[in-house]
Amino acid sequence: KAGVTQTPRYLIKTRGQQVTLSCSPISGHRSVSWYQQTPGQGLQFLFEYFSETQRNKGNFPGRFSGRQFSNSRSEMNVSTLELGDSALYLCASSTRAGTDTQYFGPGTRLTVL
Amino acid sequence: GEDVEQSLFLSVREGDSSVINCTYTDSSSTYLYWYKQEPGAGLQLLTYIFSNMDMKQDQRLTVLLNKKDKHLSLRIADTQTGDSAIYFCAPKAAGNKLTFGGGTRVLVKP
Repeated sequence: KAGVTQTPRYLIKTRGQQVTLSCSPISGHRSVSWYQQTPGQGLQFLFEYFSETQRNKGNFPGRFSGRQFSNSRSEMNVSTLELGDSALYLCASSTRAGTDTQYFGPGTRLTVL
Repeated sequence: GEDVEQSLFLSVREGDSSVINCTYTDSSSTYLYWYKQEPGAGLQLLTYIFSNMDMKQDQRLTVLLNKKDKHLSLRIADTQTGDSAIYFCAPKAAGNKLTFGGGTRVLVKP
C-alpha cells in the first residue's frame, strides 16, 4: 500500500500571501489530521477531517482552514501568511477504527519570507 | 489540556540499551504512541500501547506504562547508529487528536 503523500514538499512564500497544501491518505483511510511542527512550539494539532467534515480543531487562528474531498484527500489553506507560519506541516491518516493509529506523511516545509 | 513531558537529550553507546521517558497528564488517554523522526523526514510509527496494558514488547522495543504515575517509557535494546533520531511520545485521548511531547534527541555513539 502506498503511504501518505503530501504535496508540495517545499514552499517559499512571502508575508501576506496565501498557501494551499495537499495530503492524500493511505487507501481506505477516511480520517486526515494536520499538525504544525516548529522548533519553538513543537508538534501542534491543527484539525482533523473525517468523511468530509471537520471533527476536531486545535487552537489556531481562523487563517488556518482545511477541507476534505469525497476521495478523502485533504487540503489545508493558510491565508495572510505571517513569518511565524514557517513550519513543517504534517498530515496523518487513519481509519478511525480499532487502534486508529495515525500514519504520517513526509510533510511540507513552508518558509515565509 | 494534555501536557506531555520528555527529557531533551540522550546519549548512548552503540550496543547499549536506551531508555526514553515520558510523563503525561490526561488519565483518559486510550492509546499511547511512540514515533521516530529522522532529519528532514516525517514521523515514523514505532509502536504503541493500549492503556489497559503495562508492557508491550516488539522486537528490540519494549514499552512500559505506569498508568497510576502517568509514566511511559520506551526501551531500545542493542541500540544502533541508525537509531539516532528524535523520539516523540504521543498519548491519544478523546477524539482522534494526538498530543506530542517535545521529543527526545537520541545520539548513538560508535
